[in-house]
Amino acid sequence: GQNIDQPTEMTATEGAIVQINCTYQTSGFNGLFWYQQHAGEAPTFLSYNVLDGLEEKGRFSSFLSRSKGYSYLLLKELQMKDSASYLCAVRDRGSTLGRLYFGRGTQLTVWP
Amino acid sequence: EAGVVQSPRYKIIEKKQPVAFWCNPISGHNTLYWYLQNLGQGPELLIRYENEEAVDDSQLPKDRFSAERLKGVDSTLKIQPAELGDSAVYLCASSLTSGTGWGNEQFFGPGTRLTVL
Repeated sequence: GQNIDQPTEMTATEGAIVQINCTYQTSGFNGLFWYQQHAGEAPTFLSYNVLDGLEEKGRFSSFLSRSKGYSYLLLKELQMKDSASYLCAVRDRGSTLGRLYFGRGTQLTVWP
Repeated sequence: EAGVVQSPRYKIIEKKQPVAFWCNPISGHNTLYWYLQNLGQGPELLIRYENEEAVDDSQLPKDRFSAERLKGVDSTLKIQPAELGDSAVYLCASSLTSGTGWGNEQFFGPGTRLTVL
């Protein structure tokens, strides 16, 4: 299985930058995903990392270090609509290839 | 392009009653997933289908939960009988395949919020 850890809550102000960290312990790693989930809605895909380094996509970037079992999601120029839960998920490499293991999510609140 | 469709969106039942949830994945997606999400937690996989075959159902409580995807398209998840602890959001997701690599992210439906009284 997987052990995924991320902070429960974070707050930031509009226009600022926030970094949401995720650490994981895995028996087999085959990629890390970040999803955004607004209250009462479906999780939506934000980013995918399988190799070490930074992936940039507009205001959102995601970083991965496989040797450290560490990832972060960086949100720039925060907007009110970015208030949501951010889920880190690791894909398994073993017998359950393709299974995603999700962290409990980081609830981000953006203040004006 | 239509997303993943789920119904109903909300369901309230009394304990010991049966309940069923329906999911229609994105057209062309071979892999379908059912997840359970408790409040303040991330989704947990219940079952994964590759076309009509259940390939990962180790986390499905088979004494009361069942699922089917008879024609490899839409799917039904059933609970019989429901217990108080089953109150949660049941999410359905789909992807092109369950293989690795880019472009194979999972797309989620809006979920069914189940309340068992």
